[in-house]
Amino acid sequence: QKEVEQNSGPLSVPEGAIASLNCTYSDRGSQSFFWYRQYSGKSPELIMSIYSNGDKEDGRFTAQLNKASQYVSLLIRDSQPSDSATYLCAVPGRSARQLTFGSGTQLTVLP
Amino acid sequence: GAGVSQSPSNKVTEKGKDVELRCDPISGHTALYWYRQRLGQGLEFLIYFQGNSAPDKSGLPSDRFSAERTGESVSTLTIQRTQQEDSAVYLCASSPGGGQAYGYTFGSGTRLTVV
Repeated sequence: QKEVEQNSGPLSVPEGAIASLNCTYSDRGSQSFFWYRQYSGKSPELIMSIYSNGDKEDGRFTAQLNKASQYVSLLIRDSQPSDSATYLCAVPGRSARQLTFGSGTQLTVLP
Repeated sequence: GAGVSQSPSNKVTEKGKDVELRCDPISGHTALYWYRQRLGQGLEFLIYFQGNSAPDKSGLPSDRFSAERTGESVSTLTIQRTQQEDSAVYLCASSPGGGQAYGYTFGSGTRLTVV
């Protein structure tokens, strides 16, 4: 089992809809979870971090964490074409010294 | 500096040559990371520095790859005798500390092409 798994997509949603991105991880000891956005040809940009079970909201973004089920998700409300990017989930690796990244979910928001 | 700075932004080299990639992290960030991203692929961890020491070199793909960090600041990733499979974007990131607590800030990367 991979340490971090994401649906590769591509995921397409119409403008204004809610985009839901999911990630599962294998290490039950993980304590912190991150979502990055990567536009084509650019480097990843940190958009959300979450450490506790439940929801964390930041503007149009909501991160959801369920440690018992070992998944973390990212919801994007009122999706905009500018949200079109690859979204990467990141979890500390087994050594807890570096982040392990999922392969990313490519999101396209259609105008 | 205000962000993570990497140089050069692009590098084209002939197979068999050595290359040096540079990373200047955010001032005060003690942790520094190197990742590699091949075209259309995910991020592959290479090496982690805490201060000037490298507690985790597990991701370096071969002994042709080495890295150092001096003055708890600038880091250099060196690839010797480059091969075509080394072609990728090399990303550097820094964070205020190691461990699980912090997300990373990435530089804009160095795109390496081996011809």
